[in-house]
Amino acid sequence: DTQMTQSPSSLSASVGDRVTITCRASQNIRTYLSWFQQKPGKAPKLLIHTASTLQKGAPSRFSGSGSGTDFTLTINSLQPEDFATYYCHETHGTPPYTFGQGTKVEI
Amino acid sequence: EVELVESGGGLVKPGGSLRLSCEVSGFNFNTYTLNWVRQAPGKGLEWVSSISGGNTYIYYVDSVKGRFTISRDNPKNLMFLQMNSLRSEDTAIYYCARTGGFRAFDIWGQGTKVTVSS
Repeated sequence: DTQMTQSPSSLSASVGDRVTITCRASQNIRTYLSWFQQKPGKAPKLLIHTASTLQKGAPSRFSGSGSGTDFTLTINSLQPEDFATYYCHETHGTPPYTFGQGTKVEI
Repeated sequence: EVELVESGGGLVKPGGSLRLSCEVSGFNFNTYTLNWVRQAPGKGLEWVSSISGGNTYIYYVDSVKGRFTISRDNPKNLMFLQMNSLRSEDTAIYYCARTGGFRAFDIWGQGTKVTVSS
């Protein structure tokens, strides 16, 4: 099974900041990596799939990069509505499909 | 509009059973793999189970194997999760999610809450 190590677990930032979240897979997952945003009491929302492709409707200030084992989610010019928890998720091969532990982005 | 709606959650005693449902609309149900993902209170996301469009491939996380059963009724656009021998650690919000293109979980329901407590 693939393990996903996401860091940091939380971070403090201000509106307008650039924020970077990383995820490391325990084995090569190629680009089968998604990023989700989750706000309290809501379902997760897909932001990025295949490591770097912006999901339709997601703001262009979100970007993803990486392949193999190391991946990054970047939020350029953080907006008030971006304060949330972010998860990476691998879907390589057959299940189980593991999520990262989450990163809470706070003011 | 593409939509997934879960139901069937509730309060159940340890050792009890519940059956969750996920009703789908707005896309060709038969052709998509569907999943259950759960989130314990204050915790992260955990993939629980998947079922392919034709019921050919079914998978479970180790912690629910032998206790949970995933199924789907394609003509009725419904997916189910039969949960038996429930434990306190199964307490969570349970989401159904669609596997879209590129294997991403692209559409999610709003979740149904399951509480296992005496």
